[in-house]
Amino acid sequence: DVKVTQSSRYLVKRTGEKVFLECVQDMDHENMFWYRQDPGLGLRLIYFSYDVKMKEKGDIPEGYSVSREKKERFSLILESASTNQTSMYLCASSDSGRGNEQFFGPGTRLTVL
Amino acid sequence: AQSVTQPDIHITVSEGASLELRCNYSYGATPYLFWYVQSPGQGLQLLLKYFSGDTLVQGIKGFEAEFKRSQSSFNLRKPSVHWSDAAEYFCAVGRASGGSNYKLTFGKGTLLTVNP
Repeated sequence: DVKVTQSSRYLVKRTGEKVFLECVQDMDHENMFWYRQDPGLGLRLIYFSYDVKMKEKGDIPEGYSVSREKKERFSLILESASTNQTSMYLCASSDSGRGNEQFFGPGTRLTVL
Repeated sequence: AQSVTQPDIHITVSEGASLELRCNYSYGATPYLFWYVQSPGQGLQLLLKYFSGDTLVQGIKGFEAEFKRSQSSFNLRKPSVHWSDAAEYFCAVGRASGGSNYKLTFGKGTLLTVNP
């Protein structure tokens, strides 16, 4: 089974803190994604990566950065957390040879106070 | 640009009743189509997918979906809903041809409530 794990299920941070969300997949997938999910807005793509050290902006990259130093790990960084970044964050991975089917982690619910 | 519309934000059905969740997509080429389900507080789980071939696809948990190119639709169905089907459902479209576009575009979701 493909497994995508996220470092925390719940996280509480203060405004201005630097926040790291970690995602690891164990299926040697080339592509990895970070989404945020908010009620009524569905899933919105923040960043994705199609190879190690490669990244592309998604639909809402402002206030976020990412890092992919190893194929299995994709990190989302909030340089200076703000209250409007309180959300559910979902990581996913995919293998291009499987038609872009994405496999999701369990999510991290981040609260910024 | 590709887009996905799920017209129903919230649907309520009685246990044992049939279910149809609507999905319409806009895409300029042959699409890959997906339905995902999300239980409260969880990540998304793939229910089924359409790549090519038979337009009626079977998925897990007794779900099926039908691809209708003429209507740009990929509706999800289940003949008899169980209380455990209460969840949020997302339709997604992706690119079928080659290239560097690995992204999926998701609809905003349909929340399903099941009454006993």
